[in-house]
Amino acid sequence: DAGITQSPRHKVTETGTPVTLRCHQTENHRYMYWYRQDPGHGLRLIHYSYGVKDTDKGEVSDGYSVSRSKTEDFLLTLESATSSQTSVYFCASRGASSNYGYTFGSGTRLTVV
Amino acid sequence: SQELEQSPQSLIVQEGKNLTINCTSSKTLYGLYWYKQKYGEGLIFLMMLQKGGEEKSHEKITAKLDEKKQQSSLHITASQPSHAGIYLCGAYSGYALNFGKGTSLLVTP
Repeated sequence: DAGITQSPRHKVTETGTPVTLRCHQTENHRYMYWYRQDPGHGLRLIHYSYGVKDTDKGEVSDGYSVSRSKTEDFLLTLESATSSQTSVYFCASRGASSNYGYTFGSGTRLTVV
Repeated sequence: SQELEQSPQSLIVQEGKNLTINCTSSKTLYGLYWYKQKYGEGLIFLMMLQKGGEEKSHEKITAKLDEKKQQSSLHITASQPSHAGIYLCGAYSGYALNFGKGTSLLVTP
């Protein structure tokens, strides 16, 4: 199906371990984004990409890194997971026109114990 | 940076009633997006407003943009259980959308 998929959908990991979340889109969208959603904070931007190998930091980028080697894939890595990174992570993408906003993935629920 | 404040934070309405959700920006709005999120799922794009005074409707949902007030409103007419969820407004701040914290809507029988 066309759209955007995130994997895994759920993950439990231990403090201090590295974790990589994957976002895959079939829309050939240039722009991709990673957000985290937490109660009381809403959606906050972690990192975004404006093209292959072109990425930049968002509002809450500390402790996270990203990579984009292909148009369709945008990876989010937690180098050493902490309990404060327990959250729901959403990936989004959009094409050149902003008229239709973003296409969102279904989210990854990450628990760091 | 631009902040978006949504009100109310949560809303419980009886099926068939009308309701309004507001989104107020700390800066001038050049475009405003409305999304809906069902519990435990991703966000679904509802509509985008670009110009002051613009009004758009989709089924029983109408959104308006008041540039002077730096505010947008989302109005649902004759609410149904299918309208339940979290409604979020978003606006561009730099290269990415910045979102309000959302309004949680529950529709009771």
